[in-house]
Amino acid sequence: AIRMTQSPSSFSASTGDRVTITCRASQGISSYLAWYQQKPGKAPKLLIYAASTLQSGVPSRFSGSGSGTDFTLTISCLQSEDFATYYCQQYYSYPPITFGQGTRLEIK
Amino acid sequence: EVQLVESGGGLVKPGGSLRLSCAASGFTFSSYSMNWVRQAPGKGLEWVSSISSSSSYIYYADSVKGRFTISRDNAKNSLYLQMNSLRAEDTAVYYCAREGQLGSLFDYWGQGTLVTVSS
Repeated sequence: AIRMTQSPSSFSASTGDRVTITCRASQGISSYLAWYQQKPGKAPKLLIYAASTLQSGVPSRFSGSGSGTDFTLTISCLQSEDFATYYCQQYYSYPPITFGQGTRLEIK
Repeated sequence: EVQLVESGGGLVKPGGSLRLSCAASGFTFSSYSMNWVRQAPGKGLEWVSSISSSSSYIYYADSVKGRFTISRDNAKNSLYLQMNSLRAEDTAVYYCAREGQLGSLFDYWGQGTLVTVSS
């Protein structure tokens, strides 16, 4: 199984900050990577797929990059509604489909 | 509007069984692969099982293989998960998720149903 490792596991930031979350795959996955946002008590929401393609309706302050084993999710200017947990997911080789352990973004 | 509504969760004793359902609407259900993803309390996301549009391809996580059975009824726009021999570690919110057309990513999710396995 391909292991997905996110960093950091959690961190604090302020509204208006630019933040970057990293996801590393245990082997190359080309660009078969998705990012999800999850708020407490809610289902995950797809933000980005194919490593850098924004899902319809997702604000342009979200962006993704990377290929192979190293990927990043960037939020260019944090808004209050962006404080949530973010997960990466590989869909290059399955089963199993695998997720990162999550990155919790908290308000400083 | 795409909607996925799970039901069937609840409290069950270890070794017991439960059947989850997911009612789909707002899209052509028979054209999409579907999945179950779970989340233990305070933990991350774990993929459980997937089923192709015509049920030709079915996959399971090792953690549930031999105990869980995924199925679908395209005539009823419904997805199911039969869970047998339940263990405490199966306690989680179970989400029904639609697989996107561009790969095994999940573009729509239900609100989830909680399964608690406890004596």
